[in-house]
Amino acid sequence: GAGVSQSPRYKVAKRGQDVALRCDPISGHVSLFWYQQALGQGPEFLTYFQNEAQLDKSGLPSDRFFAERPEGSVSTLKIQRTQQEDSAVYLCASSPGGDGVYGYTFGSGTRLTVV
Amino acid sequence: QKEVEQNSGPLSVPEGAIASLNCTYSDRGSQSFFWYRQYSGKSPELIMSIYSNGDKEDGRFTAQLNKASQYVSLLIRDSQPSDSATYLCAVNMPTGRRALTFGSGTRLQVQP
Repeated sequence: GAGVSQSPRYKVAKRGQDVALRCDPISGHVSLFWYQQALGQGPEFLTYFQNEAQLDKSGLPSDRFFAERPEGSVSTLKIQRTQQEDSAVYLCASSPGGDGVYGYTFGSGTRLTVV
Repeated sequence: QKEVEQNSGPLSVPEGAIASLNCTYSDRGSQSFFWYRQYSGKSPELIMSIYSNGDKEDGRFTAQLNKASQYVSLLIRDSQPSDSATYLCAVNMPTGRRALTFGSGTRLQVQP
């Protein structure tokens, strides 16, 4: 596609509920990144894929967070048993090269609110 | 010490003035540096990249890099109210995670 597409744009979840956030990167981009952005803060790294391989998941805050990109294109970030501290904007970005050395293109983000 | 540091602001400048935004980073081996603009409620948008010491100009924007001082800056000439946004500095660090590390951003307000 022309840009990075994320869905849903907004998600309200009850505490304890599981959620799944989707990212469709720019066609042909090998690198895909997930970031978490709290209000008034910069994006914080969660995880990185090169094609279907998850090369870095060091930023995932707990084992409740899980990401996959099974066919090297669309990616899903899953959060199990959501907690209030998970409320944030989740940003997906893609890049044509490895490691984002040429910069990223971000999607519009998913705003998650846990109540 | 944060890996990428920015003054949170707000930085307030009058319309037509030069806005100067600054960023320092901790990893001396860093090679790639980026400035993103983020309007309220929107996602970050890449506006400048710089890879070597010196200045890089693109329209009203100039990025400056000094690797010896571990310092990167963004100058916006002839600032417009539409430039009012948060500006994020991002650095690709060779050690640790294989992704850009972002600062917390500087909020710029251009007063008409």
